[in-house]
Amino acid sequence: KAGVTQTPRYLIKTRGQQVTLSCSPISGHRSVSWYQQTPGQGLQFLFEYFSETQRNKGNFPGRFSGRQFSNSRSEMNVSTLELGDSALYLCASRLATNYEQYFGPGTRLTVT
Amino acid sequence: GQNIDQPTEMTATEGAIVQINCTYQTSGFNGLFWYQQHAGEAPTFLSYNVLDGLEEKGRFSSFLSRSKGYSYLLLKELQMKDSASYLCAELMNRDDKIIFGKGTRLHILP
Repeated sequence: KAGVTQTPRYLIKTRGQQVTLSCSPISGHRSVSWYQQTPGQGLQFLFEYFSETQRNKGNFPGRFSGRQFSNSRSEMNVSTLELGDSALYLCASRLATNYEQYFGPGTRLTVT
Repeated sequence: GQNIDQPTEMTATEGAIVQINCTYQTSGFNGLFWYQQHAGEAPTFLSYNVLDGLEEKGRFSSFLSRSKGYSYLLLKELQMKDSASYLCAELMNRDDKIIFGKGTRLHILP
């Protein structure tokens, strides 16, 4: 079974731009969560989607948004990028019936 | 990660045993995870504890005390490949959010 995939793996953007990151979960997993990881703050929860609906949201500004498609693939979007948005963005998928999450390799975003 | 406290770094010797502690907020607690993350890689699941007690999985064991808001990960017969960050994470029953600690970076010396 293929693991969680994320594209792109690396991205460099300029302040003020916007970015869209993509995540394809493990087949059969309908829950997709997104996290931001930085050296100072660790792994911080952004949001979780299940069956195309946002179930949970972390404490991030409205510039961070996401969506999930009918095939469970998910995208997250960050608008008006700031330098502090530079981070590793990880997505994780799981089955609806247990909480064990499988993480993708992440997208390394650098904002200059 | 503000609900969860774990040491920032630890050092241990190859072949030895190390215990990584984690304290968490007990209000709204529903379960406790441990993940391993090697540098430059994604976190991988190690354990999930819901009930009090020790659960053993090979060289790794995880312990939970719900009343004390305390967990630990025990690594035995340390190997160089165990050098990694170990993330403690709490499942909140209010909204099923999983809140991660900042991780403990474990260095293994030969």
